[in-house]
Amino acid sequence: QSALTQEASVSGTVGQKVTLSCTGNSNNIGSYGVGWYQQISHGAPKTVMFGNSLPSGIPDRFSGSKSGTTASLTISGLQPEDEASYYCSTWDYRLSAQVFGGGTKLTVL
Amino acid sequence: EAQLVESGGGLVQPGGSLRLSCAASGFTFNIYEMNWVRQAPGKGLEWVSYIGSSGSTIHYADSVKGRFTISRDNARNSMYLQMNSLRAEDSAVYYCAREGCSGGTCYAPDVWGKGTTVTVSS
Repeated sequence: QSALTQEASVSGTVGQKVTLSCTGNSNNIGSYGVGWYQQISHGAPKTVMFGNSLPSGIPDRFSGSKSGTTASLTISGLQPEDEASYYCSTWDYRLSAQVFGGGTKLTVL
Repeated sequence: EAQLVESGGGLVQPGGSLRLSCAASGFTFNIYEMNWVRQAPGKGLEWVSYIGSSGSTIHYADSVKGRFTISRDNARNSMYLQMNSLRAEDSAVYYCAREGCSGGTCYAPDVWGKGTTVTVSS
């Protein structure tokens, strides 16, 4: 059971806008920003959003937001190369641990 | 460009030991907190351990507490994970990850290595 809850799977067509969610509690997402990671075919994770900041080299069709204890990653204008697993993570001060979501498998139809 | 390179993985028998290393370059290593994160075959990402910038603050996941030891050598821009009493369920790709900060608060990995594979099997 992951500390952060993500959809198991999401799908969309090329060009569509999709939003992935990550739900936690006041000890983690409610207190800190969130990192989002893309993992293609179990290669190394790549950071696609850090808080509200887009890392260098990540297309601006990726955006992040947070409301209360839920964070969201939105991909506007879905591309075939966006098909991957996406994970969210943040610090949990009560657990003194880095917590991750279980991951969302994004399929581009 | 910030870069992390892990090494030290391999095949080890249950009950055995292994020491992983993470070499950092392209950033000021001694001001960053660091993590080890692992991924078992077909599973999601699992946090293993955290170490503060000076090495004085350390945290472990319950699954490895008492068996794994994290450390760092800021003079060598390196971090380590000593793994003892290894079990089959410790088999995974182990990633070194820098803890990123924003607005003065550090809260999640922002730079990842490519990982090193640990297989625990007889």
